[in-house]
Amino acid sequence: AQSVTQLDSQVPVFEEAPVELRCNYSSSVSVYLFWYVQYPNQGLQLLLKYLSGSTLVKGINGFEAEFNKSQTSFHLRKPSVHISDTAEYFCAVSPLAGGTSYGKLTFGQGTILTVHP
Amino acid sequence: DADVTQTPRNRITKTGKRIMLECSQTKGHDRMYWYRQDPGLGLRLIYYSFDVKDINKGEISDGYSVSRQAQAKFSLSLESAIPNQTALYFCATSDPTPGYLETQYFGPGTRLLVL
Repeated sequence: AQSVTQLDSQVPVFEEAPVELRCNYSSSVSVYLFWYVQYPNQGLQLLLKYLSGSTLVKGINGFEAEFNKSQTSFHLRKPSVHISDTAEYFCAVSPLAGGTSYGKLTFGQGTILTVHP
Repeated sequence: DADVTQTPRNRITKTGKRIMLECSQTKGHDRMYWYRQDPGLGLRLIYYSFDVKDINKGEISDGYSVSRQAQAKFSLSLESAIPNQTALYFCATSDPTPGYLETQYFGPGTRLLVL
């Protein structure tokens, strides 16, 4: 079984400041890692994902995340945020291919990022 | 047009009523999912379907049932709605091809209020 913990439920930040949204996971098997974003009154869309290879993953809208296997973390970062980045962000994991749970996502609780002018 | 659509977008119902939420997709994906979102709890999986004949319970299936009428359609039913089923419900799809399966595509959600 997998679990995901997002360490901050809300993160307020001023425009053009850097931001980090923290995510830790627990799993008895190796996993893929994801960040999804939910803009107000919309469904979720994929921001970025880590499947294999380089532990630094770049996504859309200038976001990036770093996979740290020893710390079981996958923190999301952006060096300079915009008002339009205001949204709720979800970290998620999925077991690797080959198991019966392949493709099933387990989500964290979400972090609301609010960017102030 | 949106690839994953949900109807209705908003619904108010009374305790004990039967209600159906519908999801349609034009992405041609075999896999479909139903989630509910509650504040502070993230998204939790209710049911998922790997194809028309393969339907599986998720972590919170009690009080819900589903029907996969076709590859493109996956409906969620609340047989007798109760207030703690008030939530935002999302449908999602994914392509089972290795390398594509990991990405799920979400509909816009249905906001359900049970009085």
